[in-house]
Amino acid sequence: GESVGLHLPTLSVQEGDNSIINCAYSNSASDYFIWYKQESGKGPQFIIDIRSNMDKRQGQRVTVLLNKTVKHLSLQIAATQPGDSAVYFCAENTYQAGTALIFGKGTTLSVSS
Amino acid sequence: GAVVSQHPSWVICKSGTSVKIECRSLDFQATTMFWYRQFPKQSLMLMATSNEGSKATYEQGVEKDKFLINHASLTLSTLTVTSAHPEDSSFYICSARKTSGGYTDTQYFGPGTRLTVL
Repeated sequence: GESVGLHLPTLSVQEGDNSIINCAYSNSASDYFIWYKQESGKGPQFIIDIRSNMDKRQGQRVTVLLNKTVKHLSLQIAATQPGDSAVYFCAENTYQAGTALIFGKGTTLSVSS
Repeated sequence: GAVVSQHPSWVICKSGTSVKIECRSLDFQATTMFWYRQFPKQSLMLMATSNEGSKATYEQGVEKDKFLINHASLTLSTLTVTSAHPEDSSFYICSARKTSGGYTDTQYFGPGTRLTVL
């Protein structure tokens, strides 16, 4: 079946570096994408979302890029901090009302001081 | 904000007993809630979609008679694991869809419930 996946299971960076977490999706019908952060033992926390009519969206220290041509999604975290250490999931949805999110496998981000 | 709570946060039970988990949207109404389970170091797997006032829609492979879902109000959905067994031990997470008026409704997640069946 179609699913959302992430390129790398782990990413290790130094504090202050910029982090880029990638995600490839295969469902061309998906038109809404979300990045979630999950800390150990907690539920996913919404970070940022983007609709398919956009290719870039910025938040506080985070930027999401969407390339529909190659079905690629990325999350950029500026000036990564130790508190950013967590598992990051991308998720996708379609225009069908009530459709649940499809989650990728997750990338574990480790930030060292 | 959009806060979703779950209760209990963790539960330990004996094999064969039933456990009820509550999911509440605290500051918004949610016509649709979702239940996921997550095994260690794995992604979230959708179990069922819960719509207020109607029967839940279960994903393939999820036993509806074992995982009973009730969505009696716009702020509360419950998941009951009946006759729990050790293989049901997992992290159960709910989410609630906050309707913003468009089809791209943001889902907000609860903190999860850790179920351990002995």
